[in-house]
Amino acid sequence: TQLLEQSPQFLSIQEGENLTVYCNSSSVFSSLQWYRQEPGEGPVLLVTVVTGGEVKKLKRLTFQFGDARKDSSLHITAAQPGDTGLYLCAGEGAADSWGKLQFGAGTQVVVTP
Amino acid sequence: KAGVTQTPRYLIKTRGQQVTLSCSPISGHRSVSWYQQTPGQGLQFLFEYFSETQRNKGNFPGRFSGRQFSNSRSEMNVSTLELGDSALYLCASSVYPKGTDTQYFGPGTRLTVL
Repeated sequence: TQLLEQSPQFLSIQEGENLTVYCNSSSVFSSLQWYRQEPGEGPVLLVTVVTGGEVKKLKRLTFQFGDARKDSSLHITAAQPGDTGLYLCAGEGAADSWGKLQFGAGTQVVVTP
Repeated sequence: KAGVTQTPRYLIKTRGQQVTLSCSPISGHRSVSWYQQTPGQGLQFLFEYFSETQRNKGNFPGRFSGRQFSNSRSEMNVSTLELGDSALYLCASSVYPKGTDTQYFGPGTRLTVL
């Protein structure tokens, strides 16, 4: 059972377009992380958000953590082919779940030139 | 600084066999977590070790086990392999298993069970 629901599951866009990926849950998370994974590799951390309402920017990527710390979004501006990959959100729950991340199913993003 | 290394990268086994996977964390990292990634279930938490102690465990059968050594290196073992155990097994290390501590993932071991 996925406690984190990601949408959409698949996104195909042209270079230069914008896109948004959503990560929703009924649970509260102490922190939420976004990863990007490429074929044959492990996930690579993009950002960690901790505070409700927090917004972080990483070049063309903007991450937002919901006020109630139950949801998050990732927005990419002017997508490039290098942004292609599987985007995963992962949340950490209570203090005793140290080292345990709950992952969403992922959003496969394909950016074509 | 070297990243998380996992060996072997690829493994083919048959049903009923057992397998041991190895993970070397980043130098100085004391927490190692293991995950199973499959197309159907995504990334699922297996277990986490810190200072040679398993402190957290996911919902997997007892055929899945692990251990951590004094140098923080970790191994996981799967006994009596089933077809459904075919997956990418990922380990991740962090300095300390707090949510704000970054977990760095290795490239994974691709296990195929025939």
